[in-house]
Amino acid sequence: GDSVTQMEGPVTLSEEAFLTINCTYTATGYPSLFWYVQYPGEGLQLLLKATKADDKGSNKGFEATYRKETTSFHLEKGSVQVSDSAVYFCALSRGAQKLVFGQGTRLTINP
Amino acid sequence: DSGVTQTPKHLITATGQRVTLRCSPRSGDLSVYWYQQSLDQGLQFLIQYYNGEERAKGNILERFSAQQFPDLHSELNLSSLELGDSALYFCASSVGDRGTSETQYFGPGTRLLVL
Repeated sequence: GDSVTQMEGPVTLSEEAFLTINCTYTATGYPSLFWYVQYPGEGLQLLLKATKADDKGSNKGFEATYRKETTSFHLEKGSVQVSDSAVYFCALSRGAQKLVFGQGTRLTINP
Repeated sequence: DSGVTQTPKHLITATGQRVTLRCSPRSGDLSVYWYQQSLDQGLQFLIQYYNGEERAKGNILERFSAQQFPDLHSELNLSSLELGDSALYFCASSVGDRGTSETQYFGPGTRLLVL
């Protein structure tokens, strides 16, 4: 079945550092790929998504590119802020079906 | 604010008890999904409803059941509760069109603690 693997956390960075959180998936065909973010004490918010190969999703300075050849969807941000501290989830789905999530990566940004 | 509401926000109960979690989807969304988030299992899909009918089932225990009502709100019923059922339960909604790539919007969750 479909699966998603994220880089192990937790990740701790200083403010203004470059961020990469790795995500790879196993799936047949062309699922849609998502990054969700969970701030402390809150629900999941969609951060960005991509629906086909080579699509780039972007939002709030975060970017991720759907790479079919490497089955990856790595999350990047050029300069992180303290307010980016949260848990980040990579996920995939097909049409209006369930989301399959990675295990989540806890990110802490120190001032 | 995603537009998805869940009640209650917190629930504390005892083993063996039964609880009901409620979810109202975003206006216009026909599909409701339930997920369980626990420390050891991560985020797991439980069940999906579309316009009142069950559409897909995931890792949902037999002690758990759900339904979607004509007004499209959904309830997740958890019975014979065990300590291991303590978790954060999320509801999400989407339009439900199988032919498109859809975004699911999540509610704030219900935190269940079984003592």
